Amino acid sequence: DTTVKQNPRYKLARVGKPVNLICSQTMNHDTMYWYQKKPNQAPKLLLFYYDKILNREADTFEKFQSSRPNNSFCSLYIGSAGLEYSAMYLCASSRPGLGAETLYFGSGTRLTVL
Amino acid sequence: QQQVRQSPQSLTVWEGETAILNCSYENSAFDYFPWYQQFPGEGPALLIAIRSVSDKKEDGRFTIFFNKREKKLSLHITDSQPGDSATYFCAAKYSGGSNYKLTFGKGTLLTVTP
Repeated sequence: DTTVKQNPRYKLARVGKPVNLICSQTMNHDTMYWYQKKPNQAPKLLLFYYDKILNREADTFEKFQSSRPNNSFCSLYIGSAGLEYSAMYLCASSRPGLGAETLYFGSGTRLTVL
Repeated sequence: QQQVRQSPQSLTVWEGETAILNCSYENSAFDYFPWYQQFPGEGPALLIAIRSVSDKKEDGRFTIFFNKREKKLSLHITDSQPGDSATYFCAAKYSGGSNYKLTFGKGTLLTVTP
């Protein structure tokens, strides 16, 4: 079963309020990723966890946080949502092994900030 | 700076025709090029991939043609079917070391008309 699950499917948030998105996988993948996808833009990598090590992209370093309490779960946290955070958020995972190349994506969470 | 570019943004073909989706990249270090297929309401899924040591990769009706000198590649879908209607993302990465980052293009929306 190559399934990555994301909850919720749709999320509405108010400007200035925190947002927490959840992702899970049961494939024992060691790496989990969060991508942001806006209309007419390429999916943009925000951060990834390799095992327990968090790596955040330099240009979004202060905007997003994440936690990975165990191998199966990974969250994406926005401390204070702004209108520019409205987007589809895609979680993905990859199998064990350095440089593992195939990403398995969830169906995404569509975040709308009002 | 957009490192992976795709064209056209959208493409409509008749059932049975060959659809050609184009991709170009800027970073000469990229050596692995997957194409991901995304249906509405689902996450992207790996369709086919090629490494820079090859100039062609086939999988059924899907073929990647790769030109390293020009930093271009294309995805050919022969005998296009309505079920092929989806968004196709070209992506690229450098597979050396522990590099996990996959850089995506904006995608091409393919519509196959019966």
